[in-house]
Amino acid sequence: AQKVTQAQTEISVVEKEDVTLDCVYETRDTTYYLFWYKQPPSGELVFLIRRNSFDEQNEISGRYSWNFQKSTSSFNFTITASQVVVSAVYVCALSEAQGSGGGADGLTFGKGTHLIIQP
Amino acid sequence: DAGVTQSPTHLIKTRGQQVTLRCSPKSGHDTVSWYQQALGQGPQFIFQYYEEEERQRGNFPDRFSGHQFPNYSSELNVNALLLGDSALYLCASSLRLAGISSYEQYFGPGTRLTVT
Repeated sequence: AQKVTQAQTEISVVEKEDVTLDCVYETRDTTYYLFWYKQPPSGELVFLIRRNSFDEQNEISGRYSWNFQKSTSSFNFTITASQVVVSAVYVCALSEAQGSGGGADGLTFGKGTHLIIQP
Repeated sequence: DAGVTQSPTHLIKTRGQQVTLRCSPKSGHDTVSWYQQALGQGPQFIFQYYEEEERQRGNFPDRFSGHQFPNYSSELNVNALLLGDSALYLCASSLRLAGISSYEQYFGPGTRLTVT
């Protein structure tokens, strides 16, 4: 069975500090997809990144970077020089590829990490 | 380009009642998934609809049922409501055409259901 664990329930840092959000996953499939979503207080999940299991290259987008390591089943998210505006809940998710017809399985989510950036 | 829309925004129901939530997918998308998010928890997958059929289902009882219409919009129905059904219900849409798959799911703002 799939499982996603975000052990950090809440993280509070001072603005301009770097912060890393941890995500550990479990799956028996060799083909799967990992995601990060941002969830502001309004509730809507905002897509940040998707990574497939065959691509372990790290990715950087502005102040955001993602570190995918299959050896440790982790897909961690780092925000560099954090800003107050990025305060939100961040949720990691896993999807296993369906066997036929393409398309993704329903997502398995972690519980989320509430990130608070203090001014 | 219209995103995913859901209605209503908020809903209050009494135990034992039935509720219907609605979702319109992002323009061009053909697959709709529903999730339940209890307070302080991550979303949990309920089911996914494609070509008007339920294609995959999470660990939810039969009280939860759905429907997808020819225009790809979808409904989530919950019968015999329990207090534990109080949650944010999120709809997500994605695109799955023959030979082309998109694994990004775009979420709507959700419907907050309170059962008293």
